[in-house]
Amino acid sequence: DAGITQSPRHKVTETGTPVTLRCHQTENHRYMYWYRQDPGHGLRLIHYSYGVKDTDKGEVSDGYSVSRSKTEDFLLTLESATSSQTSVYFCAISAPGQGLGYTFGSGTRLTVV
Amino acid sequence: SQKIEQNSEALNIQEGKTATLTCNYTNYSPAYLQWYRQDPGRGPVFLLLIRENEKEKRKERLKVTFDTTLKQSLFHITASQPADSATYLCALDPSGSEGQAGTALIFGKGTTLSVSS
Repeated sequence: DAGITQSPRHKVTETGTPVTLRCHQTENHRYMYWYRQDPGHGLRLIHYSYGVKDTDKGEVSDGYSVSRSKTEDFLLTLESATSSQTSVYFCAISAPGQGLGYTFGSGTRLTVV
Repeated sequence: SQKIEQNSEALNIQEGKTATLTCNYTNYSPAYLQWYRQDPGRGPVFLLLIRENEKEKRKERLKVTFDTTLKQSLFHITASQPADSATYLCALDPSGSEGQAGTALIFGKGTTLSVSS
């Protein structure tokens, strides 16, 4: 999607390994978010960031950490991947107050075996 | 408990008819609601935002209403087409702000619309 890219698009990893997903934006938006989407649960917030080095937990943050060392990049790390973390992960950006909603990336499909 | 619910998981209609999707919420006082469209294998795409002081908003064939008394938003697609087939998500900011408070949207589980020709 324009202005936001996620990498990798697909990944298969083994249980117990660390995994890092990357979100990169070119819009210079202050706010960035990581969601996971699972059948029957919809989109659930993992972590979000409201500025460089400013992050906060979401609804399903256990087992995940994030880092934002510069405006354009927001990294999501699964510290020790488990099968329950098999999911589709979406990054989003926003500029609140402008009535423009969130812009989502294309997603990363992660499979933990 | 706080909830945001989209009443139907799936909605099937014929081409040319009006599709009406419902979003209900409890124990929130959102300043606005948003609607998104999601196609299979893609990220959600923002469609419309409606504020609490706006009863109705339109964009081409789309119309959204927001009733803060009923705690409900309705999303209408008029003259529906097979290309409108997708999953539609509603979302709100639980903080009741315009987003500046540093909170994030919560989403309903979505309604999958299928328009047959």
